[in-house]
Amino acid sequence: EPEVTQTPSHQVTQMGQEVILRCVPISNHLYFYWYRQILGQKVEFLVSFYNNEISEKSEIFDDQFSVERPDGSNFTLKIRSTKLEDSAMYFCASRTTSGPYEQYFGPGTRLTVT
Amino acid sequence: QQQVKQSPQSLIVQKGGISIINCAYENTAFDYFPWYQQFPGKGPALLIAIRPDVSEKKEGRFTISFNKSAKQFSLHIMDSQPGDSATYFCAASRFIGGTSYGKLTFGQGTILTVHP
Repeated sequence: EPEVTQTPSHQVTQMGQEVILRCVPISNHLYFYWYRQILGQKVEFLVSFYNNEISEKSEIFDDQFSVERPDGSNFTLKIRSTKLEDSAMYFCASRTTSGPYEQYFGPGTRLTVT
Repeated sequence: QQQVKQSPQSLIVQKGGISIINCAYENTAFDYFPWYQQFPGKGPALLIAIRPDVSEKKEGRFTISFNKSAKQFSLHIMDSQPGDSATYFCAASRFIGGTSYGKLTFGQGTILTVHP
């Protein structure tokens, strides 16, 4: 069964450093999403991406964050200058352009900012 | 107005029992309500979903009950098994045009433990 993959599984970085989280969505999916889950809290929406542009973003997704689809298979989330509070599990999700409306989630990248 | 409130935070059930998790929403524009199951170290996986044109949807041992007037929906797991032990999230989304549903707004999650 096709699945969303994410790399790395765990990233440790120092405060102020840039990180890039990578995702490979399911091949025929064209809607892409990033969510995050701070330990012990609910999953929160960050951004959605379709047709090479951001279609929706949350208030969390400020100027420190950016997304890109650098080629036909990868979808990336960049955090320019990480803060301690960016420590979380980051999930990528994707879905098709038509029903069903299910978003398929990847296994996540655990980001630890020290 | 965008919140989805989920209860209980944790639930312990004996094997063969019924697990019930409840969610309430505020935004009447929500019209797609999925439940996700998450095992440790894995991403959320869709379990079952409902739209507000029906009051109940059943798939195997899993049933969603939906009360549009009360803005509440619940997940019932019949004959709960130890393998059902996981974190369950309710979520909500709204139709934003074309074939598009918007972001998922998640509840806080319920940690279900099913004892053998």
